[in-house]
Amino acid sequence: DGGITQSPKYLFRKEGQNVTLSCEQNLNHDAMYWYRQDPGQGLRLIYYSQIVNDFQKGDIAEGYSVSREKKESFPLTVTSAQKNPTAFYLCASSISPLGYTFGSGTRLTVV
Amino acid sequence: AQKVTQAQTEISVVEKEDVTLDCVYETRDTTYYLFWYKQPPSGELVFLIRRNSFDEQNEISGRYSWNFQKSTSSFNFTITASQVVDSAVYFCALSEAGFGNEKLTFGTGTRLTIIP
Repeated sequence: DGGITQSPKYLFRKEGQNVTLSCEQNLNHDAMYWYRQDPGQGLRLIYYSQIVNDFQKGDIAEGYSVSREKKESFPLTVTSAQKNPTAFYLCASSISPLGYTFGSGTRLTVV
Repeated sequence: AQKVTQAQTEISVVEKEDVTLDCVYETRDTTYYLFWYKQPPSGELVFLIRRNSFDEQNEISGRYSWNFQKSTSSFNFTITASQVVDSAVYFCALSEAGFGNEKLTFGTGTRLTIIP
């Protein structure tokens, strides 16, 4: 079945470390997105990509980086510059505004 | 800039009661899309409905119904005869049309608790 796979489901990071969250889709969707969810703040857009080798900053891109070398993959790196990285991260893809698909999320905790 | 407001942070109702979740949006576009998603405790977002800005017909799907009113920029969601399985966080979202504008803007969500 087609869908989006996010891994890992839970991730723990030490202060000062970079970590990478994986997002893979087999839906042949052109666009992919990363959202961050904090309690009471809804989902906020970090980065998005509409085609391979191109991506745009969202509303809260500081402290994050992405790459889009393949259509199927859109990994998110949380760098040490992100001061408050503990959150729930959701990846999504779409082929148009009519068809968004979300992954099951990665819960990142700084220890 | 687009914005979605869900003023109700938390709602609790007794099972079998009806409940309405409010959503108010702002956009400068004349063509846009509105969505409702359900987020159960597992965290995954479950798609409920999509409505484009040119279709103001209300929609009913089982116990769920949606009232879209462009005049008040609202897209409210009603659950009839609520059940415990309806307990979740519900998000309203907006997407503008056109290449490069498809990203979703979410409201802050409404946590719905159905009391057995």
